[in-house]
Amino acid sequence: AQSVAQPEDQVNVAEGNPLTVKCTYSVSGNPYLFWYVQYPNRGLQFLLKYITGDNLVKGSYGFEAEFNKSQTSFHLKKPSALVSDSALYFCAVRDMAGTYKYIFGTGTRLKVLA
Amino acid sequence: GAVVSQHPSRVICKSGTSVKIECRSLDFQATTMFWYRQFPKQSLMLMATSNEGSKATYEQGVEKDKFLINHASLTLSTLTVTSAHPEDSSFYICSARDGLRNTGELFFGEGSRLTVL
Repeated sequence: AQSVAQPEDQVNVAEGNPLTVKCTYSVSGNPYLFWYVQYPNRGLQFLLKYITGDNLVKGSYGFEAEFNKSQTSFHLKKPSALVSDSALYFCAVRDMAGTYKYIFGTGTRLKVLA
Repeated sequence: GAVVSQHPSRVICKSGTSVKIECRSLDFQATTMFWYRQFPKQSLMLMATSNEGSKATYEQGVEKDKFLINHASLTLSTLTVTSAHPEDSSFYICSARDGLRNTGELFFGEGSRLTVL
């Protein structure tokens, strides 16, 4: 069965410092991986995805993620954090069984401190 | 990017009444829509998957008679919480997949916060 793990409930980082939000996955076959961000009382916004191609994926708002097959990881990164990046971040993997179901991680709350 | 509109964003109702939440894809054909429920400080719980023109597929533990889902057109899905009770209070989010472009990602509505008194 497909699964996604986000080991950190919360990540704190100082403004201007690089940030990393961790995600590991377990799938059979090639993974379709996604990152979404959620601001309070809002829906989820798509940040980036990995389906195939370069392992380093660039997305919205300066975020990027690196697909690492050997470590089964897809960590979200940004070189310089902004206070406005503070939000809830979800990693997701798409079920490849044909149902198009997406399995979400438990979410990581990012807090960027001024 | 593709836009999904969800309405209402907030609703307060009395216990025992029914509430309908609409989810519309504004600029694409949503062949598949998903309904999620999110509890405070928790992840998204998939409630059901709906494909246009067919019955929704509910996840284990989700009462299909309680949470009625209709996906009558390629741009509209509705979730009706029937005979709502305070324990149904939650944040409900819909998402949609663009079946034609099939770019892979889901597009989410802004969510609906239901409060049952």
